[in-house]
Amino acid sequence: GAGVSQSPSNKVTEKGKDVELRCDPISGHTALYWYRQSLGQGLEFLIYFQGNSAPDKSGLPSDRFSAERTGGSVSTLTIQRTQQEDSAVYLCASSLLSRAGGIEQYFGPGTRLTVT
Amino acid sequence: QKEVEQNSGPLSVPEGAIASLNCTYSDRGSQSFFWYRQYSGKSPELIMFIYSNGDKEDGRFTAQLNKASQYVSLLIRDSQPSDSATYLCASGDAGGTSYGKLTFGQGTILTVHP
Repeated sequence: GAGVSQSPSNKVTEKGKDVELRCDPISGHTALYWYRQSLGQGLEFLIYFQGNSAPDKSGLPSDRFSAERTGGSVSTLTIQRTQQEDSAVYLCASSLLSRAGGIEQYFGPGTRLTVT
Repeated sequence: QKEVEQNSGPLSVPEGAIASLNCTYSDRGSQSFFWYRQYSGKSPELIMFIYSNGDKEDGRFTAQLNKASQYVSLLIRDSQPSDSATYLCASGDAGGTSYGKLTFGQGTILTVHP
């Protein structure tokens, strides 16, 4: 079946502008995750959604970052007043469900964000 | 602070050899472990997961978990140039408020040379 999809694949924006990144998880997956990967770095957890539960926002680096998930499916990550340090690849992943201890997550192709 | 540590490498092995990738984790309560392969410019691809102590084999890949030593490894037998990539180790949180979160290591760069 179709995998996780993300759009846009690339985004170049000027410092101070707002951006929205979209993620469409694998059909039937109830859990959705956002990660960020800076050049040459590991993956940094940002936020996690599980069904109708309150999202875990513990990884969001500042209040300029927010995310929502509508209808338990598509998610949008919004970055307000972008800064150059926000430049990174933003990765979305989904999993069939979530349980204590973690479960296999499948990643989308990512959105490469460049803030000039 | 939960941490996952990997040898950054780069690790270079000849074609046909066994590549051994290692990972240690700090959270003794971690229950599940994952190996992802990431080609340059691409997103991580799940190649193995392991939940129980011991070995788990899938084709040329074997994951090994030792919870007492807080150690996970990935062996790649008969390494091929196409295995050249960055390998990411990840552990799943033991519970609490974030059941789904994975903590990733920095990755090990593997190069398989002909």
